[in-house]
Amino acid sequence: KAGVTQTPRYLIKTRGQQVTLSCSPISGHRSVSWYQQTPGQGLQFLFEYFSETQRNKGNFPGRFSGRQFSNSRSEMNVSTLELGDSALYLCASSLVSPSYEQYFGPGTRLTVT
Amino acid sequence: EDKVVQSPLSLVVHEGDTVTLNCSYEVTNFRSLLWYKQEKKAPTFLFMLTSSGIEKKSGRLSSILDKKELFSILNITATQTGDSAVYLCAVEDRDDKIIFGKGTRLHILP
Repeated sequence: KAGVTQTPRYLIKTRGQQVTLSCSPISGHRSVSWYQQTPGQGLQFLFEYFSETQRNKGNFPGRFSGRQFSNSRSEMNVSTLELGDSALYLCASSLVSPSYEQYFGPGTRLTVT
Repeated sequence: EDKVVQSPLSLVVHEGDTVTLNCSYEVTNFRSLLWYKQEKKAPTFLFMLTSSGIEKKSGRLSSILDKKELFSILNITATQTGDSAVYLCAVEDRDDKIIFGKGTRLHILP
């Protein structure tokens, strides 16, 4: 069974731009969660989607948004990028909601210059 | 504010030693506590704990939860160099929100 895939794996953007990251969950998984990981803050929860609905949202500004499609694939968008948005963005999928026993993707490394 | 605190932040031991990693939490509407191992790539799931006093075991790893004192420990016995990783503790509340600790970086010396 294929694991969670994320694209792109690496991304370099400049301040003020926007970016869209993609996550394809494990087949059959309907819950997708997004996390930001930085050396200073560790792993922080962004939001979770289940059956195309945002179930929960972490403490991030409105510049961070997401959506989930009918095939459970999810996208995360960050607008008006700031230097502090440089991080590893991890996506995780799980079979059901609530999201436990999550399976993480390899992440997208975003660098904002 | 909900928080998860892990200690120590880093740990260096020799192969064969036993280590104990700690995780304390302050979370309203607790549902479960999760342990993950993160090497170079994404975290991999180790344990989910929901009940106090019931040890979960997988090979040389074991974990237990104390819901009265609001903490969990992860034990690794007979450590091996392959155990070197960051160990993450996370708590899930009943609103399905997950809060991670900052992790314990474990380094096993051969």
